[in-house]
Amino acid sequence: QSVLTQPPSASGTPGQRVTISCSGSSSNIGSNYVYWYQQLPGTAPKLLIYRNNQRPSGVPDRFSGSKSGTSASLAISGLRSEDEADYYCAAWDDSLSGFWVFGGGTKLTVL
Amino acid sequence: QVTLRESGPALVKPTQTLTLTCTFSGFSLSTSGMCVSWVRQPPGKALEWLALIDWDDDKYYSTSLKTRLTISKDTSKNQVVLTMTNMDPVDTATYYCARTTTVYAFDIWGQGTMVTVSS
Repeated sequence: QSVLTQPPSASGTPGQRVTISCSGSSSNIGSNYVYWYQQLPGTAPKLLIYRNNQRPSGVPDRFSGSKSGTSASLAISGLRSEDEADYYCAAWDDSLSGFWVFGGGTKLTVL
Repeated sequence: QVTLRESGPALVKPTQTLTLTCTFSGFSLSTSGMCVSWVRQPPGKALEWLALIDWDDDKYYSTSLKTRLTISKDTSKNQVVLTMTNMDPVDTATYYCARTTTVYAFDIWGQGTMVTVSS
């Protein structure tokens, strides 16, 4: 059971906008940055969004991130077939001596 | 170019100790802000963070696994080693190492190494 809560699945048709939520607590999302990762089948995760809403170079501006309180969201606009993947959120948790936490992942299907 | 590569046994027996090595290039673990993490992923399941070691040799562990994990680094060899004791079939997973920075978190990942725990 993951510390960060994500919906197990999401879907959309090409061209649509979809959002994926990530819910945490005051010790993680509420007080630290949120990061998003894309994992295509059979590959390692890839950084998609850092520090809540920043895109690394090479990541299309179709991908955007936001955070409010103890929740965060990843939005994908102009959905494309190649966006079909698993998406994970992550954040540092200040509890105890500190540790990283991931969400349970969201499987995005492009219909 | 930053690269990381995991190495270790593909198969371990229950109760054995797993030792994984992450060999990296393109950055130095003695540079302020640089860290290396281990993350695992059981087949069909979510990512799970295991441990992190930073440039100052500070170490952080998953609260649920900390009694079984040890992370260490050899800066001269550009390697980070993770040991996990008392392996169990539920520890079967792909184990990834990832460069971790204070700005980008897990920004570069290795390809992962699959470890199966079975007698």
